[in-house]
Amino acid sequence: EVQLVESGGGLVQPGGSLRLSCAASGITFSWYWMSWVRQAPGKGLEWVAKINPDGSETYYVDSVKGRFTISRDNAKNSVFLQMNSLRAEDTAVYYCVRDNNHSFDYWGQGTLVTVSS
Amino acid sequence: QSALTQPPSASGSPGQSVTISCTGTSSDVGGYNYVSWYQQHPGKVPKVIIYEVSKRPSGVPDRFSGSKSGNTASLTVSGLQADDEADYYCSSFVGSKNWLFGGGTRLTVL
Repeated sequence: EVQLVESGGGLVQPGGSLRLSCAASGITFSWYWMSWVRQAPGKGLEWVAKINPDGSETYYVDSVKGRFTISRDNAKNSVFLQMNSLRAEDTAVYYCVRDNNHSFDYWGQGTLVTVSS
Repeated sequence: QSALTQPPSASGSPGQSVTISCTGTSSDVGGYNYVSWYQQHPGKVPKVIIYEVSKRPSGVPDRFSGSKSGNTASLTVSGLQADDEADYYCSSFVGSKNWLFGGGTRLTVL
């Protein structure tokens, strides 16, 4: 059974930093692209970032470029999202997702990030 | 880049069919056969129901079908059931390894 388990969310002040982690099991993690997708409260889905299987390529939505960094550790079957200079508009549930067949086929349960003073 | 355009709501009676549209541009929906659709029940995690325009993952009923014409993709739900009541999101590849979602459509089963 495929499982993606996120952690690291919480309350942070504007301008602060947070690091999200996602632990994968039930898949050959090192084969797959991985992404982070977020959903603001009561709003729609937004793709945030993705990383290729060996970690050498990363891509971001324009609104987080220069502030967020996606990385992975294949030895630990984990993907991370380092979020700096956080803004109120970054408040959302962040989902770790597997990128496969040009779609997002497995999703974690999500971790809530709240940016507020 | 702006979100793909979906109607905010759609509805149908049990047993009927309903179609949800997803309109983009030639740079996203029209440019690639990489449109996917996601179903999200309230308080739940999204689930992929269509990928690569019209393919269904294992376990997804054939009542769900996808198509595309030009810059508009469509999701059709046939034989509506109460459990189909959910939010539906389209997504498209937009080049440079980026992805774009639609704003979502709330489907109500009357």
